[in-house]
Amino acid sequence: EAGVVQSPRYKIIEKKQPVAFWCNPISGHNTLYWYLQNLGQGPELLIRYENEEAVDDSQLPKDRFSAERLKGVDSTLKIQPAELGDSAVYLCASSYSLDTQYFGPGTRLTVL
Amino acid sequence: QKEVEQNSGPLSVPEGAIASLNCTYSDRGSQSFFWYRQYSGKSPELIMSIYSNGDKEDGRFTAQLNKASQYVSLLIRDSQPSDSATYLCAVNMRYSSASKIIFGSGTRLSIRP
Repeated sequence: EAGVVQSPRYKIIEKKQPVAFWCNPISGHNTLYWYLQNLGQGPELLIRYENEEAVDDSQLPKDRFSAERLKGVDSTLKIQPAELGDSAVYLCASSYSLDTQYFGPGTRLTVL
Repeated sequence: QKEVEQNSGPLSVPEGAIASLNCTYSDRGSQSFFWYRQYSGKSPELIMSIYSNGDKEDGRFTAQLNKASQYVSLLIRDSQPSDSATYLCAVNMRYSSASKIIFGSGTRLSIRP
């Protein structure tokens, strides 16, 4: 069974530029999560989808971050414009309902 | 007070000994608890989940849950150098009518040969 797929694995951009991350969850998993993880910290939830509905986006900085999960499968997380403080690892995870989460490899973002 | 608290470590344990990792949480009504292992530069991977008070064993790993004390722990027996990683505790917490999984900041474990 294929795991959670994320791309790109690494991204380096200059501040004020836009960036997008893509995630393909495990087949059959209706719940998809986007997390941000800073060095030495645990993952922090940005947004959670159940199918195509965003059920928890309370921690998503909506002035610059946006996300979508069209058709309830793949998802894209976008930052526009990126700031220096956005440098982190962005993790996508999926689960069947609100149960055990399986993480993708993450995208390491560096904003210069 | 953080919602899920872990000692950041590093916790250094000799090879072959028992490593004990602890986690406390703030929501008394939490029902689901998870331990993830994260190697440096990698993403978290699930080790154990536990839902009922008591112990749950899986190979060299034992998760212990005490809901009255709001405490969950992970024991690693016969520690190996490959167990050196950061261990994340995650708790499914209630927020109004919904629930959310909250991660602790992790404990760094180092197994010395």
